[in-house]
Amino acid sequence: AQTVTQSQPEMSVQEAETVTLSCTYDTSENNYYLFWYKQPPSRQMILVIRQEAYKQQNATENRFSVNFQKAAKSFSLKISDSQLGDTAMYFCAFVGGGSNYKLTFGKGTLLTVNP
Amino acid sequence: EAGVAQSPRYKIIEKRQSVAFWCNPISGHATLYWYQQILGQGPKLLIQFQNNGVVDDSQLPKDRFSAERLKGVDSTLKIQPAKLEDSAVYLCASSLGYLAGDPLQETQYFGPGTRLLVL
Repeated sequence: AQTVTQSQPEMSVQEAETVTLSCTYDTSENNYYLFWYKQPPSRQMILVIRQEAYKQQNATENRFSVNFQKAAKSFSLKISDSQLGDTAMYFCAFVGGGSNYKLTFGKGTLLTVNP
Repeated sequence: EAGVAQSPRYKIIEKRQSVAFWCNPISGHATLYWYQQILGQGPKLLIQFQNNGVVDDSQLPKDRFSAERLKGVDSTLKIQPAKLEDSAVYLCASSLGYLAGDPLQETQYFGPGTRLLVL
């Protein structure tokens, strides 16, 4: 079974600074996708960024980028130029064919951006 | 494009009562998911539908939870009777579905959730 571990329950960062959220996962599959989802307070979860396991190049989406280390099974999210609107729970998630394409989420990291 | 709709947004019931949640997915999305998110944890899949058929309900407590997706569009999730440990946010999500291509690429779009408190 796949597992996703987020070891940082809470983090904080000053506005305009950079922060990195950690995620590790465990799987025996070779073909899979990894995701970061954002869940703002009392608002719905949205996809931030995703990474295909067979691609070596790290995904980027504007201020969001990932550091994907396949051998180490690590998938961290870097947020540059943090904004107040980035305050949210961030969930790392995994999907692979062996899990019937079922998303497995980590427990989340609560990120607070301070003015 | 309208997003995933859920109702009610909040519900408070007493244990042993029954409750039902409703979800309307994004138009054209064949796959629908129900998740349970307990405070401090990530969402856990309860059931997944492809059109009106069940793909995965391995983590659905079938002695008290039931779900249906009539006509392959809207879905309802029911709990009967509710227990204290059912207090959670129930999220509905939808995606295009496997026929759209590689299922690994599926992006799930989430609704706002229903927050349930069982007293």
